[in-house]
Amino acid sequence: GAVVSQHPSRVICKSGTSVKIECRSLDFQATTMFWYRQFPKQSLMLMATSNEGSKATYEQGVEKDKFLINHASLTLSTLTVTSAHPEDSSFYICSARIGGGEKLFFGSGTQLSVL
Amino acid sequence: QQPVQSPQAVILREGEDAVINCSSSKALYSVHWYRQKHGEAPVFLMILLKGGEQKGHEKISASFNEKKQQSSLYLTASQLSYSGTYFCGTEIDVNAGNNRKLIWGLGTSLAVNP
Repeated sequence: GAVVSQHPSRVICKSGTSVKIECRSLDFQATTMFWYRQFPKQSLMLMATSNEGSKATYEQGVEKDKFLINHASLTLSTLTVTSAHPEDSSFYICSARIGGGEKLFFGSGTQLSVL
Repeated sequence: QQPVQSPQAVILREGEDAVINCSSSKALYSVHWYRQKHGEAPVFLMILLKGGEQKGHEKISASFNEKKQQSSLYLTASQLSYSGTYFCGTEIDVNAGNNRKLIWGLGTSLAVNP
């Protein structure tokens, strides 16, 4: 099946620094990618939807200047958490959808801890 | 808009059956079921696209009642590997137009013990 690679799997950083998370579709072209955050024992909360070559669509309450999303190619989307603070600590997961398809392929997630 | 999953948690002995329900207050276009193990990405189980549709995957099957806006996931003769959190995702129309989104339930934690 299709594979989505997400890196890094875990990152610990100091407050005020920026962190970039990559999400790559390894064997298919992902026309749409989704970014979620998940708190312990909570559901997946959609942050934004990105389509290749266009600006991401952010969900209500998600600061687009803080969570920068770039979907520069059909196989790569990045999420940059700018000026991270402890409250940004969370599990971030990306998923991709092949054009016209319904099934989502998830990355393995990134555990972000901001000290 | 978030679908309601029940039960919140269930503990089984290996070989027992379980049913996980997912209900929505909105009309549904599709229902997705995924299983997530701790610290890992959710893994696709199945998608149900039509009212009344049922699907099966080995000993895991699901039904979708479009009129009742509900879906149920059936786990038969559970195995240790079935342990994890099961999420339903409901595809709804958010803007009375052509804008569909997948909204996730809070999950049902399933533990299968020997």
